Amino acid sequence: DTAVSQTPKYLVTQMGNDKSIKCEQNLGHDTMYWYKQDSKKFLKIMFSYNNKELIINETVPNRFSPKSPDKAHLNLHINSLELGDSAVYFCASSQDVRDYRAKNIQYFGAGTRLSVL
Amino acid sequence: ELKVEQNPLFLSMQEGKNYTIYCNYSTTSDRLYWYRQDPGKSLESLFVLLSNGAVKQEGRLMASLDTKARLSTLHITAAVHDLSATYFCAVDILYSGGGADGLTFGKGTHLIIQP
Repeated sequence: DTAVSQTPKYLVTQMGNDKSIKCEQNLGHDTMYWYKQDSKKFLKIMFSYNNKELIINETVPNRFSPKSPDKAHLNLHINSLELGDSAVYFCASSQDVRDYRAKNIQYFGAGTRLSVL
Repeated sequence: ELKVEQNPLFLSMQEGKNYTIYCNYSTTSDRLYWYRQDPGKSLESLFVLLSNGAVKQEGRLMASLDTKARLSTLHITAAVHDLSATYFCAVDILYSGGGADGLTFGKGTHLIIQP
């Protein structure tokens, strides 16, 4: 069983479209995240979501919005896609965030490769 | 703003050799992580370092943490081809409110080990 699963694995779309990426974790974790990895392999946090508390990286455009229907899911919606949105998007989850003595290992999904044409 | 710097960014080495990857970070961190990424794949957790002086070893890889110097190292002993990958260090900081804003990653070290 895949611990953190993302769909789709590949997404090719036109500029201006709206798209969503789904993420589900079966680890029972309380916190989920979205990261963006650009063409140079640089990874940046976009959002973290824990118990209805959303923490947003201030550099993320408001065209990006996470939606969490329940604790096991954190979907990423992107409006009005731009060329610069092309990247690999990773979902991750972790437990024990609030306990600084805990390991809080983040488990990553396989990634969604988004290409905006 | 928290900054994490890795060096080198690219490393080509021969099998059997030893080498070290360095990770510096700019502010006090609660936790430091090392991840491995194979081409086109996800990130795999290698080590978590929680305290000053922590040392973790797994096979030919050993990670250490010096919180006073804000430095972590990933040492590779007698490298083998299977260790070729991109290695990332990352830190996270807990907000005072208890939430975490996720990991801040270094730029990654692209490691190629040649037979």
